[in-house]
Amino acid sequence: DVKVTQSSRYLVKRTGEKVFLECVQDMDHENMFWYRQDPGLGLRLIYFSYDVKMKEKGDIPEGYSVSREKKERFSLILESASTNQTSMYLCASSFPLRDGYTFGSGTRLTVV
Amino acid sequence: AQKVTQAQTEISVVEKEDVTLDCVYETRDTTYYLFWYKQPPSGELVFLIRRNSFDEQNEISGRYSWNFQKSTSSFNFTITASQVVDSAVYFCALSGGVNDYKLSFGAGTTVTVRA
Repeated sequence: DVKVTQSSRYLVKRTGEKVFLECVQDMDHENMFWYRQDPGLGLRLIYFSYDVKMKEKGDIPEGYSVSREKKERFSLILESASTNQTSMYLCASSFPLRDGYTFGSGTRLTVV
Repeated sequence: AQKVTQAQTEISVVEKEDVTLDCVYETRDTTYYLFWYKQPPSGELVFLIRRNSFDEQNEISGRYSWNFQKSTSSFNFTITASQVVDSAVYFCALSGGVNDYKLSFGAGTTVTVRA
């Protein structure tokens, strides 16, 4: 079975901490994505990457950065965590438009 | 800009009732793709269907069916004879253009099926 694995299911961090969310896929997909999910807002795209070392901003990139040094790994970085970044973070990967995305199980991040 | 609207926030039904989830989209692209995803309580989004803008044929997969109408920019999803296992959040999503890999999601509809 194809998989997208997110390193943590739950995380609690303090305001001002630097936070790393890791995502690994084993499908040799070119495209990888980070979304955040909030009640009533659906999923909003933070960043995506269509190749190694390539990245593009999504709809809500402020306060986040990403890293893609290897094809299979896409990291989301919160440079200085704030309480309004408390959310569910979902990683996904895809071939271009082939059957949509494959999603990870999500990381529920709480910033206190 | 692309936009997906799921006007229904929550739907609650009794088992064996039919449920229809509405999805209305906006896009300026002539080529685009529409998706439905299911998010059960476990949290992982599960792909249900993809439709391209040139294929308006309705589709049925078991108890699930989809009605794509370009004239009204809608892509509605019906669950026939609902079951408790259908309880989940359902998302409609849109991707525009051949080289546009990003998905824009609606806010989601929470379906609760009571035994």
